[in-house]
Amino acid sequence: DAGVIQSPRHEVTEMGQEVTLRCKPISGHDYLFWYRQTMMRGLELLIYFNNNVPIDDSGMPEDRFSAKMPNASFSTLKIQPSEPRDSAVYFCASSLELPGTEAFFGQGTRLTVV
Amino acid sequence: GQNIDQPTEMTATEGAIVQINCTYQTSGFNGLFWYQQHAGEAPTFLSYNVLDGLEEKGRFSSFLSRSKGYSYLLLKELQMKDSASYLCAVRDRSNNAGNMLTFGGGTRLMVKP
Repeated sequence: DAGVIQSPRHEVTEMGQEVTLRCKPISGHDYLFWYRQTMMRGLELLIYFNNNVPIDDSGMPEDRFSAKMPNASFSTLKIQPSEPRDSAVYFCASSLELPGTEAFFGQGTRLTVV
Repeated sequence: GQNIDQPTEMTATEGAIVQINCTYQTSGFNGLFWYQQHAGEAPTFLSYNVLDGLEEKGRFSSFLSRSKGYSYLLLKELQMKDSASYLCAVRDRSNNAGNMLTFGGGTRLMVKP
């Protein structure tokens, strides 16, 4: 398996624009997590899905953020409208249901909002 | 919710031993993970503990005490390539429907010659 695949790897956009980040989890994984990482706040959990169903989105900072998982092999995180403070690295991770199995991370999307 | 604390930075010497501590508070503990993250890269899995005690894996060991809400990562025979951030993460049953994985702020370890 190629691992968790995220796209794009880098995104530079202007304030106010819509940004869509994409993630393909490892095939067969039951859980998908979206994280945001900044120097100030570290790795923050934004939302996670279990079998394509959003379980906890309490980490989503504002209504400008939304996430979907239309099927087991694809998820999106959308920011509309984007703001400079959204600049961060966004990681997607997936894991199995089984206890003790770790989450595997994608390479991340480095988002810069200017 | 979860509260996970670990030191922000540590410095150690090549060849030495370093212990990175992590304390946590959670309502539905379901395992603790340690991840390593080199600058500009994704976190990668190091170890997992769900029962009390020590888990050893090569130069790295991880310890857990559930009653104390405490874990540590022990790195032996430090190498320069061990310079990285080390993230403590707790798996927590949430909403009786899933297992959320929450990370601490990470400990940046600098290994000096």
